Amino acid sequence: RKEVEQDPGPFNVPEGATVAFNCTYSNSASQSFFWYRQDCRKEPKLLMSVYSSGNEDGRFTAQLNRASQYISLLIRDSKLSDSATYLCVVNNNAGNMLTFGGGTRLMVKP
Amino acid sequence: DAGVTQSPTHLIKTRGQQVTLRCSPKSGHDTVSWYQQALGQGPQFIFQYYEEEERQRGNFPDRFSGHQFPNYSSELNVNALLLGDSALYLCASSLHRTLGTDTQYFGPGTRLTVL
Repeated sequence: RKEVEQDPGPFNVPEGATVAFNCTYSNSASQSFFWYRQDCRKEPKLLMSVYSSGNEDGRFTAQLNRASQYISLLIRDSKLSDSATYLCVVNNNAGNMLTFGGGTRLMVKP
Repeated sequence: DAGVTQSPTHLIKTRGQQVTLRCSPKSGHDTVSWYQQALGQGPQFIFQYYEEEERQRGNFPDRFSGHQFPNYSSELNVNALLLGDSALYLCASSLHRTLGTDTQYFGPGTRLTVL
């Protein structure tokens, strides 16, 4: 079983739609959680950190459920520019070693 | 303020050869981590360097080795290349913290093709 699991998609949605991605992780000792965005043939870029209390950044909302070991990302009012692969990332220790999921591909269409 | 830089951007090698990839961290960062990303997969942690020492290592064979220099830049060396080593190699820099973690910033990567 992979340490971080995501539905690979692709998720094909029209502009303006709301889309949600989910991720599960296996290590209950995991300490920090993130969503990274990766455009085709580019490097991953931090989208947002994820906290148990939930956090929002504009159209993006992230949520962590430690009991279920589940992380979510909600994108409202999708834009064409949101088309990318979204990587769920977990940090299992203070050494800052990131464990990535396989990514979920999002395609927003006109 | 320069971000993370990597060289070269692309590289083509043949099986059995050796390769060296280079990374300069973001200004003010002292820790460098290397990741391998195969096509269609998420990045996988190779190792991390801080204070010129390898601090953590992922599940990669000894053919993968590295080095960190006093100016915090780093090299990744891969010996006896295999076809399966073809991937995007990402360098990430961060600031070492005794407690907690710091955000990792990724460079543009080096795309290695092994023929």
